[in-house]
Amino acid sequence: KQEVTQIPAALSVPEGENLVLNCSFTDSAIYNLQWFRQDPGKGLTSLLLIQSSQREQTSGRLNASLDKSSGRSTLYIAASQPGDSATYLCAVIAQAGTALIFGKGTTLSVSS
Amino acid sequence: GAVVSQHPSRVICKSGTSVKIECRSLDFQATTMFWYRQFPKQSLMLMATSNEGSKATYEQGVEKDKFLINHASLTLSTLTVTSAHPEDSSFYICSARDFGTAEAFFGQGTRLTVV
Repeated sequence: KQEVTQIPAALSVPEGENLVLNCSFTDSAIYNLQWFRQDPGKGLTSLLLIQSSQREQTSGRLNASLDKSSGRSTLYIAASQPGDSATYLCAVIAQAGTALIFGKGTTLSVSS
Repeated sequence: GAVVSQHPSRVICKSGTSVKIECRSLDFQATTMFWYRQFPKQSLMLMATSNEGSKATYEQGVEKDKFLINHASLTLSTLTVTSAHPEDSSFYICSARDFGTAEAFFGQGTRLTVV
């Protein structure tokens, strides 16, 4: 059974810092991996999608990497801002038609 | 990116009544949608997979008769919480996947409070 783990569970940093969020999964046979952002009481916003054949994706200040063989992904946030404060969720799917399996998330707080 | 609209965003109902939550994919067709439930400070737990034109597939431990799912068209799935009780109070979120890219998109979520 696939399990997704995110470390750390919570992170507090001052504005301007670069930071890395970690995600690991137990079964390397994934179809793709997706990073989401969730603000309190809100739905999920898709940040980056990495297909199983890809090693990284970039969007603005965000960069996500994928090492499928070791079951790991990292989300790198450059020059963090208070507006980045949210919970970041990592999720994988095994096959194209199946549901996402989520980690518990990393709650990020960026202070000004 | 694609848009998934979920309605209502908040609902308060009395114990014993039923509540319907709608999930629509606005700019793509979704043969499959997913319903999740999220407790405070917890991650999303899959409740069921909603298949257009056929019965939903429920996860273990999810009561089929309590959480009725209907996926009548390629753009609409509904979740009805029947005979709601206070323990059903939670945050419910739907998801649809654009099968062109396999990217998943989520609705805004529905905060259900049963009093």
